[in-house]
Amino acid sequence: DGGITQSPKYLFRKEGQNVTLSCEQNLNHDAMYWYRQDPGQGLRLIYYSHIVNDFQKGDIAEGYSVSREKKESFPLTVTSAQKNPTAFYLCASSTGQGSETQYFGPGTRLLVL
Amino acid sequence: GNSVTQMEGPVTLSEEAFLTINCTYTATGYPSLFWYVQYPGEGLQLLLKATKADDKGSNKGFEATYRKETTSFHLEKGSVQVSDSAVYFCAFDQTGANNLFFGTGTRLTVIP
Repeated sequence: DGGITQSPKYLFRKEGQNVTLSCEQNLNHDAMYWYRQDPGQGLRLIYYSHIVNDFQKGDIAEGYSVSREKKESFPLTVTSAQKNPTAFYLCASSTGQGSETQYFGPGTRLLVL
Repeated sequence: GNSVTQMEGPVTLSEEAFLTINCTYTATGYPSLFWYVQYPGEGLQLLLKATKADDKGSNKGFEATYRKETTSFHLEKGSVQVSDSAVYFCAFDQTGANNLFFGTGTRLTVIP
C-alpha cells in the first residue's frame, strides 16, 4: 500500500536534547512538507522540499533542521534551540505540480520531559 | 497577505442535523481550495477540493462550492452522523507558491 509513515507516534525530549522525527513516503512524490499543529492555531509550515537535496524554510523554521538526501525521506530534527517544542508534527507529500493535493502521515506527538 | 478564516468552533450538532462550516480566504490569482478532515489522533485526509470558480467539490455527502465573488468555500452536509465528528480544515494553495495555507480548524461533535 502506498502512503506516508511517520515514526515514532510519541517522542519525549529532555532539556538540551536534539530529537529527529522520521517521515517516509512510497508515493514517488517530489515534494515533502513538515507542519506543526498547536491547539487552536491550525497548521504552520516548518520546512518544505520540492526536490532531492533542496529545501526551503517555512513560516516557523527557527529551532528546526531538515535534510532531503533521498526522494522518499524527509527527516525533521527539533534542536535544543526550539524552546517550545511540544506539539503535534505532521509530514505531508505531494506530486509538486500545481493545484496538487497534499497527503499526510499519521503524525508524531512530541512532549518535553 | 494570504490567509484563511474559518468559522470558530466547537460546533455540536445532533445526528441528522444540517452542517455548515464557513470559510473565506484572502489570496491573489486563482487558488485551488481544499477541505481536509482530521479524526482524533490521526493526520489530515483530503475531504474534497475545487480548482476553479463555480466548481463544486463533493465527497461522503459533504459539498463545497468555489465562490470567487465572495472568496468563500463553505462546507455543507445535509445530514451529519456521529462518525463525522472530527476537526475540519479549510485550505488553499497560492498560485505559484506550491504550499498550502490552512485555517485554524473547526471541531465538530455529533451527538446521537
